[in-house]
Amino acid sequence: QKEVEQDPGPLSVPEGAIVSLNCTYSNSAFQYFMWYRQYSRKGPELLMYTYSSGNKEDGRFTAQVDKSSKYISLFIRDSQPSDSATYLCAMTTDSWGKLQFGAGTQVVVTP
Amino acid sequence: EADIYQTPRYLVIGTGKKITLECSQTMGHDKMYWYQQDPGMELHLIHYSYGVNSTEKGDLSSESTVSRIRTEHFPLTLESARPSHTSQYLCASSEGRGRGNNQPQHFGDGTRLSIL
Repeated sequence: QKEVEQDPGPLSVPEGAIVSLNCTYSNSAFQYFMWYRQYSRKGPELLMYTYSSGNKEDGRFTAQVDKSSKYISLFIRDSQPSDSATYLCAMTTDSWGKLQFGAGTQVVVTP
Repeated sequence: EADIYQTPRYLVIGTGKKITLECSQTMGHDKMYWYQQDPGMELHLIHYSYGVNSTEKGDLSSESTVSRIRTEHFPLTLESARPSHTSQYLCASSEGRGRGNNQPQHFGDGTRLSIL
């Protein structure tokens, strides 16, 4: 079983809708949680970086971490066609920065 | 914003050739990483470095080797390429020294490698 599970999608939403993405994980030692956005033929771009449980908001993006359920979420409000990409979750323990990635969810925002 | 550069972006080459994938960063980051990414699959760490003259193997076994002679440069080498090496290779770097101090990783745009 993978340490980090992420639904591959594709997730198709109309422009302006809220995009909801999530990952589940099995290792309770994970403390740092990240969301990356990856456009086709580009490298992953860091969107959100959170430590432990709670919420973090940055513009149209909100990241949530529920360590008791081993579940993290990313919400994108007022989605735009430019948000069409693959979204990767990643996480690491407190010991050092080796990341465990989910396989990514493909998001398509249609005009 | 992180500035990390990978060359070449695309490489198609025959079996048995020696290949070096270049990775450079301008932020002075001590930590650097190489990942392998196949379509629809998660990124797998193949090499990492804490600083100059420090290199270690990652989770995914790889026939490639790396070197870290300068802080800003972290090249990956395949001595004899095979079709099984066909993949996308991503380089990343992060701030912080030593094993702790978990700062987020910033990625280059990758090298898409195809071995015929």
